[in-house]
Amino acid sequence: QSALTQPPSASGSPGQSVTISCTGTSSDVGKYRSVSWYQQHPGKAPKLMIYEVTERPSGVPTRFSGSKSGNTASLTVSGLQAEDEADYYCTSYAGGNILVFGGGTKLTVL
Amino acid sequence: EVQVVESGGGLVQPGQSLRLSCAASGFDFDKSAMHWVRQPPGKGLEWVASLSWRSESIGHAVSVMGRFTISRDNAKSSLYLQMNSLKSEDTAIYYCVKDRGQYGSGSLEYWGQGTLVTVSS
Repeated sequence: QSALTQPPSASGSPGQSVTISCTGTSSDVGKYRSVSWYQQHPGKAPKLMIYEVTERPSGVPTRFSGSKSGNTASLTVSGLQAEDEADYYCTSYAGGNILVFGGGTKLTVL
Repeated sequence: EVQVVESGGGLVQPGQSLRLSCAASGFDFDKSAMHWVRQPPGKGLEWVASLSWRSESIGHAVSVMGRFTISRDNAKSSLYLQMNSLKSEDTAIYYCVKDRGQYGSGSLEYWGQGTLVTVSS
């Protein structure tokens, strides 16, 4: 159950796009489509932003998108807004009723 | 409105036990997989355990295996986490989370506000 690898930080100016990566292995990210992304503002509970690699729950802005290539999943935030500044976490199903989280990425809007 | 409300957190000494509860409402609890996820103060999220809708599929993180047990009572729309032999590294906010599916593939759809567990002498 090794954690997925995310960059500790990412940043972009308002209106720009930023992509956050999430690297796992052929036993988790590379094997299953069950990759999700969560946004967490300070002092708040996490919020589901992307599930099953590319799907957006109702109410999540279309500027949030997900993708996957091999063992690496990515979250792209287009048209950055101030309210997007938060911590972002990825997670993947790893088989055997096991989930694994990434270490988290702090997104700063400059 | 979907709600999951955790309770049972508090301050305990190392080696002691604690039972967390989660009361769910606003959705078909008996058709949803459920999870516990924790977050140590100032740190990242860690998946703890999951349970499928009929309790036939159960998973626990290696870090808690043999000490923590997840369970549910569908008649009461409640999820539980029995925590034994607590260690200081178990100190965290514990979140109760609803999965989008029945078997806990990891789309963590609704999160409670969490309950704080502090393990300290």
